[in-house]
Amino acid sequence: DIQMTQSPSSLSASVGDSVTITCRASQGISNSLAWFQQKPGKAPKSLIYAASSLQSGVPSKFSGSGSGTDFTLTISSLQPEDFATYYCQQYNSYPQTFGQGTKLEIK
Amino acid sequence: EVQLVESGGGLVKPGGSLRLSCAASGFTFSNAWMTWVRQAPGKGLEWVGRIKSRTAGGTIDYAAPVKGRFTISRDDSKNTVYLQMDSLKTEDTAVYYCTTMVQGWEWGLGTLVTVSS
Repeated sequence: DIQMTQSPSSLSASVGDSVTITCRASQGISNSLAWFQQKPGKAPKSLIYAASSLQSGVPSKFSGSGSGTDFTLTISSLQPEDFATYYCQQYNSYPQTFGQGTKLEIK
Repeated sequence: EVQLVESGGGLVKPGGSLRLSCAASGFTFSNAWMTWVRQAPGKGLEWVGRIKSRTAGGTIDYAAPVKGRFTISRDDSKNTVYLQMDSLKTEDTAVYYCTTMVQGWEWGLGTLVTVSS
């Protein structure tokens, strides 16, 4: 199975900051990488697919990059509604696997 | 608008069975590969399994923890995918989500399965 390692596991930031979350795959996954946002008690919300394609309706403050084994999610100009847990997911091969999550908290 | 609506969750005793349904709309269901993902309380996301479209062969793959106990099926006439769960264990307690890739990943709201005596 492909292991997905996210860093950091938790992150504190202030409103207005920009943050970057990284996701590393244990082997190459081309660009088959998605990013999700999840708030407590809610279903995951898709942000990015194919490593850098923005899901319809998602603001451009979210951006993704990377290919192969190393990927990043950048969130600019943080707003209160952005504080949540973020997950990466590889869908290049089965079983699909997720990162362990990054909890973004308000400083 | 893509919609995925899961149903069928509830409380079941260890060793019991439950069947989840996911009703889909807003896209061509017969062409879609449908995936189940679960999330145990306070834990991360775990892929459960996937069924390909009939035109892609209808192949089904399962995660190791559920293989041999869970069965995914689909009814394209009803735009519905199912997750039959047998021999349930306490560690199967989770919210179960139905997902698919349309233009990007789409998720349902989930249904809670609690396995407890």
